[in-house]
Amino acid sequence: NAGVTQTPKFRILKIGQSMTLQCTQDMNHNYMYWYRQDPGMGLKLIYYSVGAGITDKGEVPNGYNVSRSTTEDFPLRLELAAPSQTSVYFCASSYEPYGSPLHFGNGTRLTVT
Amino acid sequence: GQQLNQSPQSMFIQEGEDVSMNCTSSSIFNTWLWYKQEPGEGPVLLIALYKAGELTSNGRLTAQFGITRKDSFLNISASIPSDVGIYFCATTGSSSNTGKLIFGQGTTLQVKP
Repeated sequence: NAGVTQTPKFRILKIGQSMTLQCTQDMNHNYMYWYRQDPGMGLKLIYYSVGAGITDKGEVPNGYNVSRSTTEDFPLRLELAAPSQTSVYFCASSYEPYGSPLHFGNGTRLTVT
Repeated sequence: GQQLNQSPQSMFIQEGEDVSMNCTSSSIFNTWLWYKQEPGEGPVLLIALYKAGELTSNGRLTAQFGITRKDSFLNISASIPSDVGIYFCATTGSSSNTGKLIFGQGTTLQVKP
C-alpha cells in the first residue's frame, strides 16, 4: 500500500517558469490537501478538495492552482514561479474530515531562483 | 485568523530526559492533534484528543487536551535518539467538516546520546 505519493522529490525552477507537483493516493480518500512548509512557520494550507470535481482555497492560495478530476490525483500547479514559492510542499489525504488522521506524502522541495 | 502558538521552538536534551512542549491559542477548539515529522518525511499523527480534559498516552508519549479548550500539552518520557524530529500541534479549528488543519510553528527536538 503506497499511501500518498508525491513527485518530484526535488526541483529547481527559474523565476517565471511553470510546473506541476503531482500527488496521488491509493487509499480511496475523498479529502485531499496541499500544504507548504517554511522554516519556523509550521504548515500552511494552500488548497484542498473534499471530493472529485470539488476544490477550494486554503490560507495561502495565491500563485497556485489545483484540479481534482479523479479521487486519486490532486496536482498543484505553479504558473509563474516566484522566489516566495521556495518551500517544501506536502500533499495529504484523509478518509473523513473529522476523527480521521491525515496521511502525508514525503514532500517536494522546490527552489525558485 | 486562528493561530496556534507552540513552545518551545527548539529543545536540545540528553537521552533519558523527559520532554514537555505545549500549544496555546486565544480561540476555543474541539480537537487537538499532535504530529511528528522526521527529516525528509511528512508529518505522522501521534495522538488525537477530542474532549476537554482528555489525557491520552501512546507509549512514552502523553498528551492532554486543556480544560479551557485553548491549549494542549505533549510530554515524552525517557527520551531516546529516535525521538528527534519536529513536533507539531494542530487543530481542525472551526472547519471540522472539511478536515482542514491549522498547525503550530513546531518544536524541533534534538536528543544527545
